[in-house]
This record gives sequence, structure tokens and C-alpha cells, in this order.
Amino acid sequence: AQKITQTQPGMFVQEKEAVTLDCTYDTSDPSYGLFWYKQPSSGEMIFLIYQGSYDQQNATEGRYSLNFQKARKSANLVISASQLGDSAMYFCAMRGEGNTGKLIFGQGTTLQVKP
Amino acid sequence: DSGVTQTPKHLITATGQRVTLRCSPRSGDLSVYWYQQSLDQGLQFLIQYYNGEERAKGNILERFSAQQFPDLHSELNLSSLELGDSALYFCASSGLGLAGTGSYNEQFFGPGTRLTVL
Repeated sequence: AQKITQTQPGMFVQEKEAVTLDCTYDTSDPSYGLFWYKQPSSGEMIFLIYQGSYDQQNATEGRYSLNFQKARKSANLVISASQLGDSAMYFCAMRGEGNTGKLIFGQGTTLQVKP
Repeated sequence: DSGVTQTPKHLITATGQRVTLRCSPRSGDLSVYWYQQSLDQGLQFLIQYYNGEERAKGNILERFSAQQFPDLHSELNLSSLELGDSALYFCASSGLGLAGTGSYNEQFFGPGTRLTVL
């Protein structure tokens, strides 16, 4: 069965510094997609970045980059130059097996950016 | 703004009652997904509809049901409510019903409906 693991319940980072949020996954499907979502205290889910299992390069979107290590089954999110507005819960997710679009989420990591 | 709307934003009801949550997907999106977010279970996939038909089912209780209408909006019906059903219910939509090899299926989430069962 597919599984997403986020081992860091909470993280602190100083403003303007970079931070890495960990995510490991398990799947037997050779084709899969990995996502990161941000959930601020207001509750909405905001899509950040996507990585496909066949993508040759690590995904980047502005200050977000995904450190994809396929052999290790890890898809860590790197946020560069942290801002106070980055304080939120971050979820790693995987597209489910069976050729549907459903997402399987990790437990999330709470990030707090200190001024 | 993701373009996905959900109503109501908040819902407070009593045990044993029945409620309906409504979702309007982004214009043109054919797939609708429902997720439940609770403190003990985290974010869990409930059910997916594609162009009116059920496509995938997750950890959805028998007391819960959903449907997608011809205009593509979707409703999630929760009946015989229990205290443990209190959660944030998200609807998400995407343009694709199937995830092709190497492609991705970004899902746009609505603001959620916070259900409190007293």
C-alpha cells in the first residue's frame, strides 16, 4: 500500500534562511506523482510544487524546490529565503495508485518562521 | 482564490442529524474529490467523481454518500452524524479524470467546510 511519511511534526527557521521539510514515500507503482501543499492557519490548501516519477530534473517553483531522490524514495521540500508568511502547515502528498487522481497525504509539518 | 467554491463555510449540528455539503468545481474541471481533515486521522481521501460518475472510493463511511450533478457541482451527504465526524471537509477539482504516465493532475482545493457535531 502507498504511504507518505513526514517525520518532522514541527520546524523552526529564521527569516531569510532556507529550510528543508522531509518527506519519504512508499509505492509499488512505477508511475507516480508527488505534491506539496501549504495550509496556513486560515485553513485553505495551497498547491506549491509537483514532481513526477519520470521527471529527470528536480522541480522548482520560485522559492520552492523539490529535492527528489528516487532511490531513497524521498521528496523533500526546500524553501529558500524564508518569509514570515511561510509559517504554515506543509503537507506532502502522492497521487494514489489505480490511475485515479486521488491524493494520499502525510501527517504534515508545522513550520514557524522567526523574525 | 482556487476557483473552487464550497458552502457552507461552517456548519454546527447535533448528533444523529444529516447535513449536505456543496462544492462547485473550477470552470471546466470534470473531476471532483472529497477529503476529510481531522486531528486524529489527518487528511483522508473520501471519494472521487468524474463527469457525474463515481471514479474512486477511499475511507468513506457507509453513512456518507456523494454525487456529482450534470452541471458538475457535487454534494457530500453525511447522515447519522457522530461526534467523531467533526472535521474540515475539503472539495478539490481537477481537469483530468485519469492520471496518465508522466503527467500530473494538480488538484485545486476549495476553502473547506468546517463541520462541528455537538
